[in-house]
Amino acid sequence: SAVISQKPSRDICQRGTSLTIQCQVDSQVTMMFWYRQQPGQSLTLIATANQGSEATYESGFVIDKFPISRPNLTFSTLTVSNMSPEDSSIYLCSGGWEYEQYFGPGTRLTVT
Amino acid sequence: TQLLEQSPQFLSIQEGENLTVYCNSSSVFSSLQWYRQEPGEGPVLLVTVVTGGEVKKLKRLTFQFGDARKDSSLHITAAQPGDTGLYLCAGEGSGGYQKVTFGTGTKLQVIP
Repeated sequence: SAVISQKPSRDICQRGTSLTIQCQVDSQVTMMFWYRQQPGQSLTLIATANQGSEATYESGFVIDKFPISRPNLTFSTLTVSNMSPEDSSIYLCSGGWEYEQYFGPGTRLTVT
Repeated sequence: TQLLEQSPQFLSIQEGENLTVYCNSSSVFSSLQWYRQEPGEGPVLLVTVVTGGEVKKLKRLTFQFGDARKDSSLHITAAQPGDTGLYLCAGEGSGGYQKVTFGTGTKLQVIP
């Protein structure tokens, strides 16, 4: 298994600003992903964080808005850029291997 | 796009009752994972099923993967208040090391 931590756990930001969320895994994982979730609803995949190369984004998500870094096998960051109230959500990172994926506690973002 | 529909969407039952949650898709998955999520936390992996027709048991929870690897079910026997949460199925694409698509989710409330 893997233990995943995220920072910050929550933040309130003004529109037009950017926030970087950090995700740390306690062991080397093959895959890391970033998701968005509205409270009580399912998860929407934003992108796959690829180690040493550009992330792979899902339809509706673009690099300029959600730049992602993954410099090694245990760490990744997601930046939410030029935020608007529509970006208010819970952002979750996950890491794992084939057939198993572990999640961080999430970052609750509110944009005012 | 691989879609996973869960039913029911909401379920409120009395402690001690049995229940089944279904996860259906028209796509074939290499594996199917089930998660439970509580408010303020990330999803927690319960089980992964890989082989068509596979049945796995985790205490009072029984998971089954359809023969064609397109659907799955979660059966809970004698539900307890601690089972309350959001249950999510997630399908992993074929070929291994692929992204995971999450189902629509089932909110379960077990009333003492």
